[in-house]
Amino acid sequence: DGGITQSPKYLFRKEGQNVTLSCEQNLNHDAMYWYRQDPGQGLRLIYYSQIVNDFQKGDIAEGYSVSREKKESFPLTVTSAQKNPTAFYLCASSLQGGPGFEAFFGQGTRLTVV
Amino acid sequence: AQSVTQPDIHITVSEGASLELRCNYSYGATPYLFWYVQSPGQGLQLLLKYFSGDTLVQGIKGFEAEFKRSQSSFNLRKPSVHGSDAAEYFCAVGPFQGAQKLVFGQGTRLTINP
Repeated sequence: DGGITQSPKYLFRKEGQNVTLSCEQNLNHDAMYWYRQDPGQGLRLIYYSQIVNDFQKGDIAEGYSVSREKKESFPLTVTSAQKNPTAFYLCASSLQGGPGFEAFFGQGTRLTVV
Repeated sequence: AQSVTQPDIHITVSEGASLELRCNYSYGATPYLFWYVQSPGQGLQLLLKYFSGDTLVQGIKGFEAEFKRSQSSFNLRKPSVHGSDAAEYFCAVGPFQGAQKLVFGQGTRLTINP
């Protein structure tokens, strides 16, 4: 079945460590996104990519990094520079814009700093 | 800047009662509008979307939404709610010219009283 797979579902990080969250899609979508979700704040955009080897910062990119070497994959690294990384992270993908636009979401990764 | 406001953080309704969740947006042109639903610890699922044409949009699970340009609103409605409708609901606007992304509201958590 086509869809978006995020792994792992739960992730624990020690302070000062970098961690990488995986996002893979088999929908043949050009665009991919990373959102952060905190209680009462909705979804905030971290990074997005509209094409392979290109990506743009979203509203809260500080302390995060991404790569887009393959169309199917858009991993997110939470670096030690991110001061408050504990959150629920959602990956999404879509075709390019227009009336057919629809963003599909993965099941999320919950990151906890211990 | 584009923005979405969901005025109600938490709504409680009785099973069988009608539901209306409010969404107001700020955007300089005709927007693309979306409603998503999220169950606890899960990703987001698209309920419905508006691009153009008929301002009353039908979605999945018996939901509908009405686009009112004069009020910059896109409220979600359901005539009779079930216990399974308890979830968090997000309104979103986008994508924007030159920026392939969605902007989300803060979300409304819906509780159903049996």
